[in-house]
Amino acid sequence: QQPVQSPQAVILREGEDAVINCSSSKALYSVHWYRQKHGEAPVFLMILLKGGEQKGHEKISASFNEKKQQSSLYLTASQLSYSGTYFCGLRSGSARQLTFGSGTQLTVLP
Amino acid sequence: DAGVTQSPTHLIKTRGQQVTLRCSPKSGHDTVSWYQQALGQGPQFIFQYYEEEERQRGNFPDRFSGHQFPNYSSELNVNALLLGDSALYLCASSLRALGNTEAFFGQGTRLTVV
Repeated sequence: QQPVQSPQAVILREGEDAVINCSSSKALYSVHWYRQKHGEAPVFLMILLKGGEQKGHEKISASFNEKKQQSSLYLTASQLSYSGTYFCGLRSGSARQLTFGSGTQLTVLP
Repeated sequence: DAGVTQSPTHLIKTRGQQVTLRCSPKSGHDTVSWYQQALGQGPQFIFQYYEEEERQRGNFPDRFSGHQFPNYSSELNVNALLLGDSALYLCASSLRALGNTEAFFGQGTRLTVV
């Protein structure tokens, strides 16, 4: 079942903060966050694993509440380059594929 | 180091035709997954290949088939194209031995069925 992302869209000014949420009705093994700019490939941001381990490549933070089956991505002091659509991808059970939400469109204005 | 490469980048086909899309994984990766992304939606999993076999499949009809070659590259074939097959097709590669790691996506192939 597809995860639910909120909000669907958000507009910020440079320097402002944003939180993007992702929730699932299924027990989760891991949560993967990606950002996709228009016409480009999704770019990996972060993995959050059951048990608390995090792996990421950028200066962003995220949380993973296993009990509530929710994850949140925290974007602080946003920059123009943060604009794009953010997707959470969920992996549950023995599945190796990711099930993606419908995305959150983030626009950062000067 | 080349990342994931897909070809062609754009394709226009007529309803009822067949199409083949190609993907070369990131160097060192052995697992290829294919996703379909409709406009304004998140990627939807089609299937995953590892050791030249389809390992998992999403909710897609048999018109969608694939192949993985000994060099880990992969093809996605779609038969009897429908207008609804118009979408961005993404290939993602990963290294199975590392378990739960990030998948790297290619730029995608934009398929338009007319």
